[in-house]
Amino acid sequence: DAGVTQSPTHLIKTRGQQVTLRCSPKSGHDTVSWYQQALGQGPQFIFQYYEEEERQRGNFPDRFSGHQFPNYSSELNVNALLLGDSALYLCASSSGLAGGVFDEQFFGPGTRLTVL
Amino acid sequence: AQSVSQHNHHVILSEAASLELGCNYSYGGTVNLFWYVQYPGQHLQLLLKYFSGDPLVKGIKGFEAEFIKSKFSFNLRKPSVQWSDTAEYFCAVISDFGMRFGAGTRLTVKP
Repeated sequence: DAGVTQSPTHLIKTRGQQVTLRCSPKSGHDTVSWYQQALGQGPQFIFQYYEEEERQRGNFPDRFSGHQFPNYSSELNVNALLLGDSALYLCASSSGLAGGVFDEQFFGPGTRLTVL
Repeated sequence: AQSVSQHNHHVILSEAASLELGCNYSYGGTVNLFWYVQYPGQHLQLLLKYFSGDPLVKGIKGFEAEFIKSKFSFNLRKPSVQWSDTAEYFCAVISDFGMRFGAGTRLTVKP
């Protein structure tokens, strides 16, 4: 049973560019959440997708957008990259049927984004 | 706004010592509480969670946590740590404001 997978593992971009990160949820899960983890900090909630719609959003600008596909996989897009966007981006999946927006989440290994 | 505080940034213990990691949050309404652990080179994993009921919850690997509503706290404990408990520990809180993590506490257990 595959867990949460993310691609790519590492990514280097320059300021102003756009980036797309991908996530496949754990088998049986239909809800995907994205987090940004800066060095030395805890994960910060970006947004959550369920049934192909953004269900809840954290305090992130509109430059951060996402998408969920019918197979429950998800993409995180960041436009007009800033140096401060350099971080580890984590994807977590859960089951929407479990009854909570944030029930037990299973995390992927993350994508390390470096903006130069 | 909601915040989650983990006051200990780095804790160093010898094997068999007792552990208590603090977690405080600043929201007065209904909350759900979690402790996650990240072992070196591995993903974040759920240690334990509190939604309702008995405020003393037991998790994996001998960890437990106590929810004290009056103190807005959810401290993590383990009576006797092992070298394999070396990891980063994150407290997380869900409220009407969404899910927030603390900054994490790095635990180093010396053999």
